[in-house]
Amino acid sequence: ILNVEQSPQSLHVQEGDSTNFTCSFPSSNFYALHWYRWETAKSPEALFVMTLNGDEKKKGRISATLNTKEGYSYLYIKGSQPEDSATYLCAFIHSRGGSEKLVFGKGTKLTVNP
Amino acid sequence: DVKVTQSSRYLVKRTGEKVFLECVQDMDHENMFWYRQDPGLGLRLIYFSYDVKMKEKGDIPEGYSVSREKKERFSLILESASTNQTSMYLCASNHAGPRQPQHFGDGTRLSIL
Repeated sequence: ILNVEQSPQSLHVQEGDSTNFTCSFPSSNFYALHWYRWETAKSPEALFVMTLNGDEKKKGRISATLNTKEGYSYLYIKGSQPEDSATYLCAFIHSRGGSEKLVFGKGTKLTVNP
Repeated sequence: DVKVTQSSRYLVKRTGEKVFLECVQDMDHENMFWYRQDPGLGLRLIYFSYDVKMKEKGDIPEGYSVSREKKERFSLILESASTNQTSMYLCASNHAGPRQPQHFGDGTRLSIL
């Protein structure tokens, strides 16, 4: 059974703080890693899709890194704002079987206090 | 913009009823997915379709079936609803390929009484 672990489960920060959280996944047969942001009462929205070891992606104040050899990805938010409050999901695709099914972690719920 | 539309935001049904959840996407995506979201469990895949009339079981297919007669529409069917199927159901779609992000609908909160 493939398992994707995210930590911490939840996080409270003050506006202006920078923060980061972790996604761990099986390092064998890696194919791709996705990050999604899910705001309350909205639908999950794709942030990044990462495929290569050492990949770094950036979107505004949010960035992500990928280490496929050790099986982890970090998501960073610089200068958090209240509108960054959301649950951040990572999801993993492995190459075994050629399936395109995503295996999701349980998410990190971020609350940014003004 | 990609639009994935789920037929209902909220739905209340009774135990034993046959329930249909509909999902339509407007971007000619090959793949469509049905997930359920439960507190503490994350998003779990119920079924996946990679083409018209083609389907693949996800992690928790028991008690569900699906139908994809047209490329843009993917239906989730609860054959005989039970209270443990009370959940938030999310539909998603994407183009074929592991690097393609999934686009999600707004979800259907289903309550089975």
